[in-house]
Amino acid sequence: EVQLVQSGAEVKKPGESLKISCKGSGYSFTNYWIGWVRQMPGKGLEWMGIIYPGDSDTRYSPSFQGQVTISADKSINTAYLQWSSLKASDTAMYYCARQPLRNYLDYWGQGTLVTVSS
Amino acid sequence: QSVLTQPPSVSGAPGQRVTISCTGSSSNIGAGYDVHWYQQLPGTAPKLLIYGNTNRPSGVPDRFSGSKSGTSASLAITGLQAEDESDYYCQSYDNSLNGVFGTGTKVTVL
Repeated sequence: EVQLVQSGAEVKKPGESLKISCKGSGYSFTNYWIGWVRQMPGKGLEWMGIIYPGDSDTRYSPSFQGQVTISADKSINTAYLQWSSLKASDTAMYYCARQPLRNYLDYWGQGTLVTVSS
Repeated sequence: QSVLTQPPSVSGAPGQRVTISCTGSSSNIGAGYDVHWYQQLPGTAPKLLIYGNTNRPSGVPDRFSGSKSGTSASLAITGLQAEDESDYYCQSYDNSLNGVFGTGTKVTVL
């Protein structure tokens, strides 16, 4: 069974750093892209970027380029999303999802809620 | 950030047919990229509903169907049921090889 399990909810202060994770199981982790999607409170889905764990090829949406870093450790089937200095506007639910060749997201993680507040 | 436009809401009575449009441009849907659809029930992660414009994953009822023409796509729900009350999003790619989502549509069952 394909599963993506994300790390738990986080509460951080502005300026702090954060790295959240997404662990894949039940499939060949290195053969599928992993995408990250943001959903701010009460808002729609936003495409942040994707990574191919097989060779760490990474692409960022222009809105998120330079704002976050996407990485992966294929030895432990885990992808990451990290911030070096959080802002209140980073408060959102973050989802990881698997992307096969035809560019859709077929399996999703349960989401990680990130709250940034002073 | 959304470059795919959807109506904010659509509604219908049980048993009726509703459609949701997804309008893009020549740099995304019109460039030949596939359109996919997701259903997001309240408080849950999105779920793949339609992929590759018209295909349903295993387990998705055939009441859901997708189509694409030119720079637009549509999701149709026939025989509307109470459990279909949800948010729906279209998704495609653009010429910069970035994914793009629609603005989202809330379906209400009257």
